[in-house]
Amino acid sequence: EVRLLESGGGLVQPGGSLRLSCAASGFTFSNYAMAWVRQAPGKGLEWVSGASTGTNTYFADSVKGRFTISRDNSKNTLFLQVNSVRAEDTAVYYCAKSLKYSSDGFDTWGQGTVVTVSS
Amino acid sequence: QSLLTQPPSVSSAPGQKVTISCSGSSSNVEDNFVSWYQQLPGTAPKLLIYENNKRPSGIPDRFSGSKSGSSATLSITGVQTGDEADYYCEVWDDDLSAGVFGGGTKLTVL
Repeated sequence: EVRLLESGGGLVQPGGSLRLSCAASGFTFSNYAMAWVRQAPGKGLEWVSGASTGTNTYFADSVKGRFTISRDNSKNTLFLQVNSVRAEDTAVYYCAKSLKYSSDGFDTWGQGTVVTVSS
Repeated sequence: QSLLTQPPSVSSAPGQKVTISCSGSSSNVEDNFVSWYQQLPGTAPKLLIYENNKRPSGIPDRFSGSKSGSSATLSITGVQTGDEADYYCEVWDDDLSAGVFGGGTKLTVL
């Protein structure tokens, strides 16, 4: 069974940092692009960042320069380093597996991890 | 303000057909594959349609997708009360080199 399990969310002060993790299982992790998608309370889905099977990474303008995405294929894990957080970064952060490439849709989603930015 | 425009809400009686539109541009919908997701309250999104009109295994054929130019449409026939959810379109944008979601459409089954 294909599974994604996020962790690392929590309460963080404005300007602080957090590292989100997504543990993947049930598929050959290195063969698929991965992404992070977030959803602020009561709002719609927002694409945040993507990582190709190679070294390419992509970011939404709203997080560019503050967030970093990486993957450890040896550990089947995707990461999102969240720096200089703002109140508007408060959201449920979902890890998502692409159908194949970064420009494809997402066929598997995790249950999400909650990030709350507040002083 | 999303690059992809969806109606905020649609409604339907059980058994009827409903369509949800997703309007984009030449840099996204027109040039790339569109996906559609269903999000039931309190749950993660679920893929309904990929590559404009393909259904993953397990998705009933009541759900279908189409695309023409810079607009895409999700159709649901034989609407059921269990279809009450938020629906999102999603596509890659070549200008941004990033994915984009529509604002979402809430389906109410009357």
